[in-house]
Amino acid sequence: DGGITQSPKYLFRKEGQNVTLSCEQNLNHDAMYWYRQDPGQGLRLIYYSQIVNDFQKGDIAEGYSVSREKKESFPLTVTSAQKNPTAFYLCASSIGGSAGGNTIYFGEGSWLTVV
Amino acid sequence: SQKIEQNSEALNIQEGKTATLTCNYTNYSPAYLQWYRQDPGRGPVFLLLIRENEKEKRKERLKVTFDTTLKQSLFHITASQPADSATYLCALRVSGGYNKLIFGAGTRLAVHP
Repeated sequence: DGGITQSPKYLFRKEGQNVTLSCEQNLNHDAMYWYRQDPGQGLRLIYYSQIVNDFQKGDIAEGYSVSREKKESFPLTVTSAQKNPTAFYLCASSIGGSAGGNTIYFGEGSWLTVV
Repeated sequence: SQKIEQNSEALNIQEGKTATLTCNYTNYSPAYLQWYRQDPGRGPVFLLLIRENEKEKRKERLKVTFDTTLKQSLFHITASQPADSATYLCALRVSGGYNKLIFGAGTRLAVHP
């Protein structure tokens, strides 16, 4: 089935560690996104990529890094510089880079907890 | 400042009634507005998109209105069912530059038998 696969579903990070969240899509979409969701808040955009080998910072990029070496993959690294990383992370994709005019498809999310 | 607001209090309704959810925004000029459904611990799922020049959009039991003068969208679910219980998110596409989506925090709907 076509869709977006995020892994792992649950991840625990120790203080000072970097962790990487995986996101793979087989929808042949050009654009991919990472959002963060905190309780009582809307989804906030971390990074987005409109095409392979290109990505841009979103609203809350500090402490995060991404790569887009392949069309189907957009991994997110949460670095030790991110001081409050505990959240629900959502990967998404759309056909084109114009997010509003195209449906955004979301993965099932990854829970990251700092221990 | 720019804001997108959805009622943070849960909406509780009886099965069979119409649920109406509200999305208000300030200081945006959205080209589109979208509604998503999100179940606990899962990713949002797209439901409907309405453009700035459209007043109303329907899909099965769902209806969305968009009033750019009031800066408000209403999301209706008619003949609601317990399976409609979820959190509903509205999202604006802002014009200019990279056309990204701005999400509201969502409203939780609980439909009781």
